[in-house]
Amino acid sequence: ELKVEQNPLFLSMQEGKNYTIYCNYSTTSDRLYWYRQDPGKSLESLFVLLSNGAVKQEGRLMASLDTKARLSTLHITAAVHDLSATYFCAVPDMRFGAGTRLTVKP
Amino acid sequence: DSGVTQTPKHLITATGQRVTLRCSPRSGDLSVYWYQQSLDQGLQFLIQYYNGEERAKGNILERFSAQQFPDLHSELNLSSLELGDSALYFCASSGRFSGELFFGEGSRLTVL
Repeated sequence: ELKVEQNPLFLSMQEGKNYTIYCNYSTTSDRLYWYRQDPGKSLESLFVLLSNGAVKQEGRLMASLDTKARLSTLHITAAVHDLSATYFCAVPDMRFGAGTRLTVKP
Repeated sequence: DSGVTQTPKHLITATGQRVTLRCSPRSGDLSVYWYQQSLDQGLQFLIQYYNGEERAKGNILERFSAQQFPDLHSELNLSSLELGDSALYFCASSGRFSGELFFGEGSRLTVL
């Protein structure tokens, strides 16, 4: 059975701190997706990682993909309150991880 | 605006009833995905259609059915509704090359 596992599921951090969210998946895949969901809202695409070693950055967020380890990371640098949301990773057949609920506190 | 349109945005109904949720994908996208999101179950993949044909099936109950029409819009039919069917139902369409999903705003279903 295909599994997409994220950790941590809940993350409370202070503004200015760094942290990493991990996404492990059980299928062979050369691509992975990250999405963001604000409370009560829809999901929006953050990153599309299309190959092994892919790294993408947008503002304070950076995502990377290691297809051999079946691992993707979403690194948060110097967190700000606006990053508070739930972050999901997903594999190409569109199974999603459980999501990481991030809360950034002043 | 993702370009994916879902209707209705909100729906309140009673147990045992039947509802239909509608989705129009982004212009040019052939794939439509349906997801259910409830508080205790996360984002559950229900079903995928590609150009009118069922492509993949996830945790979709037998009481639920879907179809994609020639104009590529899709409908999700939920019947014999139970309290536990209360959830946010998302439709998404995918880009042809990257495969990333573009989500509609969702249909919030409340079963009383």
